[in-house]
Amino acid sequence: DAMVIQNPRYQVTQFGKPVTLSCSQTLNHNVMYWYQQKSSQAPKLLFHYYDKDFNNEADTPDNFQSRRPNTSFCFLDIRSPGLGDAAMYLCATSGPGQETYEQYFGPGTRLTVT
Amino acid sequence: QKEVEQNSGPLSVPEGAIASLNCTYSDRGSQSFFWYRQYSGKSPELIMSIYSNGDKEDGRFTAQLNKASQYVSLLIRDSQPSDSATYLCAVITSGGYNKLIFGAGTRLAVHP
Repeated sequence: DAMVIQNPRYQVTQFGKPVTLSCSQTLNHNVMYWYQQKSSQAPKLLFHYYDKDFNNEADTPDNFQSRRPNTSFCFLDIRSPGLGDAAMYLCATSGPGQETYEQYFGPGTRLTVT
Repeated sequence: QKEVEQNSGPLSVPEGAIASLNCTYSDRGSQSFFWYRQYSGKSPELIMSIYSNGDKEDGRFTAQLNKASQYVSLLIRDSQPSDSATYLCAVITSGGYNKLIFGAGTRLAVHP
C-alpha cells in the first residue's frame, strides 16, 4: 500500500545532541511537509519542499534544518535540541492530480529530549 | 483573531447520537477545507475534504461548508465509542502555496 513512513517512531536524545528524523513516501507526491505538534496543540508547519524547492516558515528556528535528497525521502535535522523541542514531529505529503490539496500524514516521530 | 477556530470541548455524546463539530475561519478567500481525526498519541488522519458550499457525505460523516458565513462543520451520525478522538479542522488559505492552517481541535467523547 502507498504510504508515508517515518523513522524512528520514538527518539530520545540528549540536550544539545544533534538528531535526524526521516520520512519516506511511496505516494510519488511532489510536496513534502514537516510539522511539529506539541501536546493539545495544532500541528505547526516548520517547512515544506515543493519538488526540490525548499520553503521555510518565517518563525521556524534556525536550529531546524531539512534535506530532500530525492522525491521519496525527506529528513529533519535538529542541530542542538533543547527541552522545548520535545514534541511529535509529523511528515506529510501532497501530490499532483485531483486531490492535490489533500495532505497525508505519516505516523509521526515522538521526540524526547533529556 | 485566530485563523481557524474550534471549540476545544470536550464534546460528550451518547453512543448512537449525532455529534456536531464546528469550525470558523477568517480568510474569506479560502477554497479548500478538511477534517482530520487524531487519536491520542497518533498522527492526524484525513477523513473529509470539501471544496464547494453545501453538504458532502461519506458513510457516517457529513461535512458542511458555508463560505458566506465562513464556517465548516462535521456531523458524525450513529456515533460510536471508537469515534472518540480529537477532530482537527484545517483550511488552505488563499495566499501562495497550499499551506494548511489547523484549528486546535475539538475533543469528542462518545460514551456507551
